[in-house]
Amino acid sequence: QQPVQSPQAVILREGEDAVINCSSSKALYSVHWYRQKHGEAPVFLMILLKGGEQKGHEKISASFNEKKQQSSLYLTASQLSYSGTYFCGTEEPGTYKYIFGTGTRLKVLA
Amino acid sequence: DAGVTQSPTHLIKTRGQHVTLRCSPISGHKSVSWYQQVLGQGPQFIFQYYEKEERGRGNFPDRFSARQFPNYSSELNVNALLLGDSALYLCASSYISGYTFGSGTRLTVV
Repeated sequence: QQPVQSPQAVILREGEDAVINCSSSKALYSVHWYRQKHGEAPVFLMILLKGGEQKGHEKISASFNEKKQQSSLYLTASQLSYSGTYFCGTEEPGTYKYIFGTGTRLKVLA
Repeated sequence: DAGVTQSPTHLIKTRGQHVTLRCSPISGHKSVSWYQQVLGQGPQFIFQYYEKEERGRGNFPDRFSARQFPNYSSELNVNALLLGDSALYLCASSYISGYTFGSGTRLTVV
């Protein structure tokens, strides 16, 4: 079962903040975040390896709550370039199967 | 450094035909994985190869096969093409963590 992301879609004005959540019914040992623009390949944003780990990438950061089996991506002071579909991804332990989350479509308006 | 390269970029095939897609990973990356992305959906895991060995397989029929060569490049083969195989096929390579995707091969089956 793929991780479920929420919200499914969000529309922001430039400068607004957003939070994208990724929840799994199975244990998560690592979480990756990607952004995919229309017609392009997914671009790796960051990886979180440990429960409680938080990372930042310019104005994009993420947290990982291993116990709750969820991760959140934080977009602050959004820019037009942030528009796209965001996916979380994780590897099923012991299988090497990689699973993407359900995706969140984000659109930033001027 | 060159990124992940895939060929061809676009392909049109007829139902029942066979197709071979190719991927060259980033230099030094020993792991290659393949994904199918149908329009409007997230990527679905097909295979992962590491050091020429299949390490993981997704829920795809036996018509799908792959291999990895000594130089770590990889081929994805699909036999007896169906209309439903029309999709963007993505290849990704990884070293320690995180995946870098190629631009994909857009396959259309008519």
